[in-house]
Amino acid sequence: SQKIEQNSEALNIQEGKTATLTCNYTNYSPAYLQWYRQDPGRGPVFLLLIRENEKEKRKERLKVTFDTTLKQSLFHITASQPADSATYLCALDMSWNTGFQKLVFGTGTRLLVSP
Amino acid sequence: EAQVTQNPRYLITVTGKKLTVTCSQNMNHEYMSWYRQDPGLGLRQIYYSMNVEVTDKGDVPEGYKVSRKEKRNFPLILESPSPNQTSLYFCASSSGLAGGRYTGELFFGEGSRLTVL
Repeated sequence: SQKIEQNSEALNIQEGKTATLTCNYTNYSPAYLQWYRQDPGRGPVFLLLIRENEKEKRKERLKVTFDTTLKQSLFHITASQPADSATYLCALDMSWNTGFQKLVFGTGTRLLVSP
Repeated sequence: EAQVTQNPRYLITVTGKKLTVTCSQNMNHEYMSWYRQDPGLGLRQIYYSMNVEVTDKGDVPEGYKVSRKEKRNFPLILESPSPNQTSLYFCASSSGLAGGRYTGELFFGEGSRLTVL
């Protein structure tokens, strides 16, 4: 069956450290992969999209990798801050495959950055 | 300000009482979609629309209806709500696959928390 896995347990790290979140998937072949941030009681907010031919993408303190062989994406936040505390959602973007915009979301990983 | 607006934000209703959750976007987006979010299940797509008068089922469409008569609006209709439709609902929009380099960014509303007793 098709599955997307993100750590269901919260990730606790200290301020200033690098947070690394994992997204693994099976039986999908997405052309793109997206990451969103969701704060409690709010809608998800888009962070990054990475294409299958891009091994790595950076945006400010964020870095995303996409390994289509391992079927895995890693999401890094360097020099983490308490304000980075949120739930981070991975989304497989099947749009190229389907011909219309189709995202399949993971359940998210909660990140807690302590001062 | 670019935004997706949903109403109501919170609603408690009873089984069988028809309700509509409205969604409006001001970005001239062609693509709009409804998701529900439940603990342990993540965001699941209910219905989507690629343009006016073009709608299609997502992964969990049972018990829901939608319409897209205008580009900016995409209401979600629960004809006869049941307790298993208690959930947090999100409307989202994007420019879809139309023209230019695909950015993929979905813009989400703030959510509508629905409780069906």
